Amino acid sequence: QSVLTQPPSVSAAPGQKVTISCSGSTSNIGYNFVSWYQQIPGTAPKLLIYENNKRPAGIPDRFAGSTSDTSATLDITGLQTGDEAHYFCEAWDYTLNSGVFGGGTRLTVL
Amino acid sequence: QVHLQESGPGLLRPSETLSLTCSVSGDSMNTHYWTWVRQPPGKGLEWIGYIYYLGDTKYNPSLRGRVNISIDRPRRQFSLRLTSVTTSDTAVYFCAREDSGGLTPWGQGVLVTVSS
Repeated sequence: QSVLTQPPSVSAAPGQKVTISCSGSTSNIGYNFVSWYQQIPGTAPKLLIYENNKRPAGIPDRFAGSTSDTSATLDITGLQTGDEAHYFCEAWDYTLNSGVFGGGTRLTVL
Repeated sequence: QVHLQESGPGLLRPSETLSLTCSVSGDSMNTHYWTWVRQPPGKGLEWIGYIYYLGDTKYNPSLRGRVNISIDRPRRQFSLRLTSVTTSDTAVYFCAREDSGGLTPWGQGVLVTVSS
């Protein structure tokens, strides 16, 4: 059971918007920054969002992160078939004194 | 451009010690946290631990007592040791650099299978 809770799957049509949630607690999301990663099967994860809402160079602004209290959200707009992947949230947990990941969400672009 | 590459044995017997090395190019390793993450087949990501470039370490409490991460900055490498492995330790092991709170870049990963 993951410390951060994500829905197992989400889906939407090309061009639409999808929201992926990540629920935590005051010891992780409520206290520290959240990162989001995209993982296409068979490849290494790629950083999409860091410090809750910042994008590394080269990540399009179709990907947006936000947080509220003990939850984080990843919004993907203008969905493309190439966005089909697993998405993971991650944060530092000060109680565990460890990094923690969400269980991952599989995005299907219908 | 920073590049990370994992290396090490791909097959272990139960009770043996897992030893992996991450070779870093394009970064002097004079800053940052250097991290190990693993992913069992078909499952999610699990944070294993990190080592700060000065040598401080943090580990996942579920692995504490079995895990050790070390760094060799002159050789631009950092390493993972996991003792007394079981079949539950079968996973793809990734190394990554923490940069401004996010892990990037990542190595391509190496599959380690524990089987008798």
